[in-house]
Amino acid sequence: SQQGEEDPQALSIQEGENATMNCSYKTSINNLQWYRQNSGRGLVHLILIRSNEREKHSGRLRVTLDTSKKSSSLLITASRAADTASYFCASCYNQGGKLIFGQGTELSVKP
Amino acid sequence: KAGVTQTPRYLIKTRGQQVTLSCSPISGHRSVSWYQQTPGQGLQFLFEYFSETQRNKGNFPGRFSGRQFSNSRSEMNVSTLELGDSALYLCASSFLNAGGGYTFGSGTRLTVV
Repeated sequence: SQQGEEDPQALSIQEGENATMNCSYKTSINNLQWYRQNSGRGLVHLILIRSNEREKHSGRLRVTLDTSKKSSSLLITASRAADTASYFCASCYNQGGKLIFGQGTELSVKP
Repeated sequence: KAGVTQTPRYLIKTRGQQVTLSCSPISGHRSVSWYQQTPGQGLQFLFEYFSETQRNKGNFPGRFSGRQFSNSRSEMNVSTLELGDSALYLCASSFLNAGGGYTFGSGTRLTVV
């Protein structure tokens, strides 16, 4: 399959805890993106990290990229019940706008 | 500003029929992509259009086709529907010509019976 892999497939934590999701991809990328999806609706773009970047922050989100291991991680700090959703990584290999999505991590944050 | 608009939101079709889905991107966005999401296969890339030209195509049969108009609005068509075509079809648009983040619509839920 062309798709990347994510782990864990499901993650259940308490409010206030940190959540870490991992993603691996297959070949050299232009950039890697993370998206959130609530209940089978549209995806919301969270953050983009380019192949020449190693770490990026946006609010409570921290993304790292290790191109030597072809992997990325998304950290959500001080999680809230509203963070409950599915999270997907998406690899962008060229300038043509094709994204290869991972299978997703289903995050449940309990109040 | 208005987001990516997909119509219709829900659709029920019979095997063998054809269907056309519509996507209006954010104003000024020239790149429009389509994805199919199913529980078994996840999110899969269908095709991407930029300035009315198809730049990329995924591994789907020829029954799946699309086009983009001069105002950047896009349509995708599926002919001779099969039960396995039941899915959430998502459209995404981007301003950037290359490798930027995408804004997704809420999707069209297609059920084939």
